[in-house]
Amino acid sequence: GAGVSQTPSNKVTEKGKYVELRCDPISGHTALYWYRQSLGQGPEFLIYFQGTGAADDSGLPNDRFFAVRPEGSVSTLKIQRTERGDSAVYLCASSLQGISTDTQYFGPGTRLTVL
Amino acid sequence: AQSVAQPEDQVNVAEGNPLTVKCTYSVSGNPYLFWYVQYPNRGLQFLLKYITGDNLVKGSYGFEAEFNKSQTSFHLKKPSALVSDSALYFCAVRDTGTASKLTFGTGTRLQVTL
Repeated sequence: GAGVSQTPSNKVTEKGKYVELRCDPISGHTALYWYRQSLGQGPEFLIYFQGTGAADDSGLPNDRFFAVRPEGSVSTLKIQRTERGDSAVYLCASSLQGISTDTQYFGPGTRLTVL
Repeated sequence: AQSVAQPEDQVNVAEGNPLTVKCTYSVSGNPYLFWYVQYPNRGLQFLLKYITGDNLVKGSYGFEAEFNKSQTSFHLKKPSALVSDSALYFCAVRDTGTASKLTFGTGTRLQVTL
């Protein structure tokens, strides 16, 4: 079956611009997660959705970052006024129920480069 | 708070030899532990997880991991390494009281040579 998909695979933007990153989870998965992976590091949690609502956004670094999941399926991560330090691979994952025993399945990521 | 340590940046193994990739964790409650593998320009692929029960967990591609509560460790093992196992391996933990985030280690690069 289809896994988690993310678009675009690569995004190059200029400092100060706005970007949107899209995630399409595995069909039927109610939970969706965003992580950020910087070079040489493990993924770091950003935000978790259960259905349409953000159940935990404690990992968002500042108010330039925002994410939505309006219909409980596709999610968009939005970054305003991008900075060079935002350059990273943004990973999306989904899980069936969002309970603590669930396995999270990851997409291939979007590589964001801010010039 | 939950945390994971992967003390080795890189592990080098000859093909056919056993491999071990180390992971230790810290959580306030009981841990749920996961191993993922990342190939170049690819996302993370799930290998195996420990939830409860038998301390030896078997996963994909012949990998297994042993949960040791007293040593707070969850080392990844494989009896006979293949060149195709060369990749970046991440250990992750979730506290039983946490439904959301996984906390990952910094990763260990496994290099298997002929």
